Amino acid sequence: EDQVTQSPEALRLQEGESSSLNCSYTVSGLRGLFWYRQDPGKGPEFLFTLYSAGEEKEKERLKATLTKKESFLHITAPKPEDSATYLCAVQGYFGNEKLTFGTGTRLTIIP
Amino acid sequence: DAGVIQSPRHEVTEMGQEVTLRCKPISGHNSLFWYRQTMMRGLELLIYFNNNVPIDDSGMPEDRFSAKMPNASFSTLKIQPSEPRDSAVYFCASSRAGFAYEQYFGPGTRLTVT
Repeated sequence: EDQVTQSPEALRLQEGESSSLNCSYTVSGLRGLFWYRQDPGKGPEFLFTLYSAGEEKEKERLKATLTKKESFLHITAPKPEDSATYLCAVQGYFGNEKLTFGTGTRLTIIP
Repeated sequence: DAGVIQSPRHEVTEMGQEVTLRCKPISGHNSLFWYRQTMMRGLELLIYFNNNVPIDDSGMPEDRFSAKMPNASFSTLKIQPSEPRDSAVYFCASSRAGFAYEQYFGPGTRLTVT
């Protein structure tokens, strides 16, 4: 069974203070690892898909990286509008199209 | 594109009543997913359809839950009878059919069963 563990559960940063969120996963063959952002009262918003170890993707202040066991979401010089819950999900070869989600990291950026 | 559309956005009902949640996927997407999100369990897949056919319903909690997709542009999730423990946010998502495609989520339906 695919498993995803995210850490920390919550993170408070000062505006401009860079940090990283962790997503550790166990899957029988990785088809894709997905990062989503979720604002309160809204549905998850797609950010990135990573397919293989060593791959990196960037979007504004966010950069996602992937190894064979974990993924990191690096946030550089964050702004208050980056405050949200960040969710990680995996799709494995034996799980058809379903995504297995972690419980998320709640990020708060203090002005 | 309008994105995934869900209705109603909020539903408050009494225990024992029937609840029907509705979803319109993004046009051209052939896979549709129903998720439930709670503080305790996070985001859980309930069921998903591919080309209107249910593929995996292993996440449906019990027989009180049922889902249908009569055509490519509409799906329903029904709970009958509803119970207080069904209170949660229910999301619908859609994607292109196949593997490793990102799923796009709707705004969700917040269900409260009293």
